Amino acid sequence: EADIYQTPRYLVIGTGKKITLECSQTMGHDKMYWYQQDPGMELHLIHYSYGVNSTEKGDLSSESTVSRIRTEHFPLTLESARPSHTSQYLCASSDPHRGAYEQYFGPGTRLTVT
Amino acid sequence: KNQVEQSPQSLIILEGKNCTLQCNYTVSPFSNLRWYKQDTGRGPVSLTIMTFSENTKSNGRYTATLDADTKQSSLHITASQLSDSASYICVVSDRGSTLGRLYFGRGTQLTVWP
Repeated sequence: EADIYQTPRYLVIGTGKKITLECSQTMGHDKMYWYQQDPGMELHLIHYSYGVNSTEKGDLSSESTVSRIRTEHFPLTLESARPSHTSQYLCASSDPHRGAYEQYFGPGTRLTVT
Repeated sequence: KNQVEQSPQSLIILEGKNCTLQCNYTVSPFSNLRWYKQDTGRGPVSLTIMTFSENTKSNGRYTATLDADTKQSSLHITASQLSDSASYICVVSDRGSTLGRLYFGRGTQLTVWP
């Protein structure tokens, strides 16, 4: 089991609220990722980071933002939640020195916006 | 267009039986192929990773095969157990970027009945 953590695991929140999904890893990995996954669908990359102070948008357009001030921490923020943001959000990290870019996933945050 | 297609979409088998899941991909240039197991409400966990030169790899009761010429992979599960009930996701990585971009299939939802 990988040492990557996400909180909260479940969140139900009203429209218009600001939320931050936390992700942290204790493996010292430089690369971190955020994915969005709807039921029965594939994972879509929404943000990634090569390291501290590096953030990039992924393949799927997202209204969320991320920051990477510390190696171990990669939080995702929604300034104003909407029902269309209801989904599962998965954080991952990888160690390029292991070759094959093995990605380790956190348990996910199930977000419901009412 | 880089794509990963999995079949069947869902599968129900009885405990103790074997099953085989299929994955076809068009990702190029190919780097490696992974099979992940994702329990409901959890993040994916890696089962196997295969590079271009490998055509079979086992992890306990899970055996993955890869035919890089036909761009097909299969995951064979022997003597299934109730705990095997999960979504099995085929993921292909390309060699075209330092990110190690992953392309995800939608998964096969396996249900094992007692």
